[in-house]
Amino acid sequence: EDKVVQSPLSLVVHEGDTVTLNCSYEVTNFRSLLWYKQEKKAPTFLFMLTSSGIEKKSGRLSSILDKKELFSILNITATQTGDSAIYLCAVEETSGSRLTFGEGTQLTVNP
Amino acid sequence: DAGITQSPRHKVTETGTPVTLRCHQTENHRYMYWYRQDPGHGLRLIHYSYGVKDTDKGEVSDGYSVSRSKTEDFLLTLESATSSQTSVYFCASARNADTQYFGPGTRLTVL
Repeated sequence: EDKVVQSPLSLVVHEGDTVTLNCSYEVTNFRSLLWYKQEKKAPTFLFMLTSSGIEKKSGRLSSILDKKELFSILNITATQTGDSAIYLCAVEETSGSRLTFGEGTQLTVNP
Repeated sequence: DAGITQSPRHKVTETGTPVTLRCHQTENHRYMYWYRQDPGHGLRLIHYSYGVKDTDKGEVSDGYSVSRSKTEDFLLTLESATSSQTSVYFCASARNADTQYFGPGTRLTVL
């Protein structure tokens, strides 16, 4: 059974801090790993990672995948209150048409 | 963002009653998904569809059925609602099986 574990489950920081969110996974036939941001409503797509060592970057957010150690990290630099959200990690297998989600990390950025 | 809507957005019902939730997408996406989201569990897949009349079970499918008679519509039915099915339900769609776009969610309360 596929397994996705995110840590920490909850994190409280101050504006300007840098945070690192972790996602480890166990899948039979890995195809891709995805990060989503969920504010008050629906999750929205951030990144898709398929290759090890290649950093994806979007503004203050960046993510990288390590397929040997089976994990990914999501970094957010110079955090802002608008970064407060649940960050979800999901993995996709080569065989499938479905994603397995982790429990999510609840990030709170205080002013 | 993909045009995905869910209806109703909120529903309160009683134990033992049937409930149908509707997901509608206007992107001609092949794949559609139903998830439930609960504290401590993250997003869990209920059922998914990989084409009209083609559906499969997810990890928490007991007590739920789905139907997809048209590309744009994916219905989730609770034949006899139970209090354990109180949750927030998200629908998602995808052109390919990786980047999923989520609907706004339906908050269901079963009394």
